Amino acid sequence: DGGITQSPKYLFRKEGQNVTLSCEQNLNHDAMYWYRQDPGQGLRLIYYSQIVNDFQKGDIAEGYSVSREKKESFPLTVTSAQKNPTAFYLCASSSLATNEKLFFGSGTQLSVL
Amino acid sequence: QQPVQSPQAVILREGEDAVINCSSSKALYSVHWYRQKHGEAPVFLMILLKGGEQKGHDKISASFNEKKQQSSLYLTASQLSYSGTYFCGSEEGAQKLVFGQGTRLTINP
Repeated sequence: DGGITQSPKYLFRKEGQNVTLSCEQNLNHDAMYWYRQDPGQGLRLIYYSQIVNDFQKGDIAEGYSVSREKKESFPLTVTSAQKNPTAFYLCASSSLATNEKLFFGSGTQLSVL
Repeated sequence: QQPVQSPQAVILREGEDAVINCSSSKALYSVHWYRQKHGEAPVFLMILLKGGEQKGHDKISASFNEKKQQSSLYLTASQLSYSGTYFCGSEEGAQKLVFGQGTRLTINP
């Protein structure tokens, strides 16, 4: 079955450590997204990518980095520069046609030790 | 800038109706609506593409007023399964989709 897989489901970060969240899709979608979810603040866009080897900053990109080396994969690294990383992270994808719906992964809960 | 949703939370009894509003300070070219159950991924409900457009399936429908830069989601005769957090999203340029802060809907028996 086609879909988006995020891993791990839960992740703990020590202070000063970089951690990487995985996102893989087999929907043949060109566009991929990372959102951060905090209670009461909805979904905030971190990074998005429309094509391999290209990506754009969203509204809250500081302290995060991404890569898009393969169409199927869009990993997110939470760097030590992100001082408040505890949140629920959602990956999504869509086709490049205008106004296409997003398909979401099941999310990764990141917490700080 | 994120769209603004109102109300932030709603508590209903089963069978009652609800309206969730979404407005933007920027021009709205299209509006997406999603529902998220606690701890799960958001699930797509519908997209409205044109001003004046209305859509619906089952007892959930939505309207889009392009001139007022607003959209509303209507839940009629609510069921327990409608509980969750509802998000509206708007496209800001090619493929950049930003969401509102969400409206938490609780349906009690």
